[in-house]
Amino acid sequence: AQRVTQPEKLLSVFKGAPVELKCNYSYSGSPELFWYVQYSRQRLQLLLRHISRESIKGFTADLNKGETSFHLKKPFAQEEDSAMYYCALSAANTGNQFYFGTGTSLTVIP
Amino acid sequence: EAQVTQNPRYLITVTGKKLTVTCSQNMNHEYMSWYRQDPGLGLRQIYYSMNVEVTDKGDVPEGYKVSRKEKRNFPLILESPSPNQTSLYFCASSLSGQPQHFGDGTRLSIL
Repeated sequence: AQRVTQPEKLLSVFKGAPVELKCNYSYSGSPELFWYVQYSRQRLQLLLRHISRESIKGFTADLNKGETSFHLKKPFAQEEDSAMYYCALSAANTGNQFYFGTGTSLTVIP
Repeated sequence: EAQVTQNPRYLITVTGKKLTVTCSQNMNHEYMSWYRQDPGLGLRQIYYSMNVEVTDKGDVPEGYKVSRKEKRNFPLILESPSPNQTSLYFCASSLSGQPQHFGDGTRLSIL
């Protein structure tokens, strides 16, 4: 079975502090992993994907196959980062089923 | 403007009364998918479609049907809705197999 776990439902950090949103996955094949973000009153949007190795809005995420993790990190949190974040996995070896985690609500305290 | 449009945005209905939630995209995307979002459960995939006339079950397909007769439209059909299908539903599209553009959501309440 393919599953995505985000252990923290809520996370609060102070502005300027580092932030890490945890994501662990369970998957028997080669995973494709993603982070999505939903800002207040906005549509859900793709933030980044591991295959692109990109940094978006200062966020990065590294796929660690040994620890089966894909944590989202940012060195200095900004108030505008407050949002709901979802980790997700594409199950390429069973077609294109897509699995989201339960989400982490990040609040950046001014 | 590139977008995914869902209708209706809100619907209150009764058990057993067939309903359809429409989803349309204007980006010529091949991939479209439906999700439901429930508190504590996040988003769960209901159905997805890689192209016209190609649809596949996601994680929670029971009680739902879809069709993909045209590339731009991907309606979600509840033939006999039940209260456990009360949820917030999202449609999404992209060029590849991962959702990228999402609709605003449809909030369904089934009494």
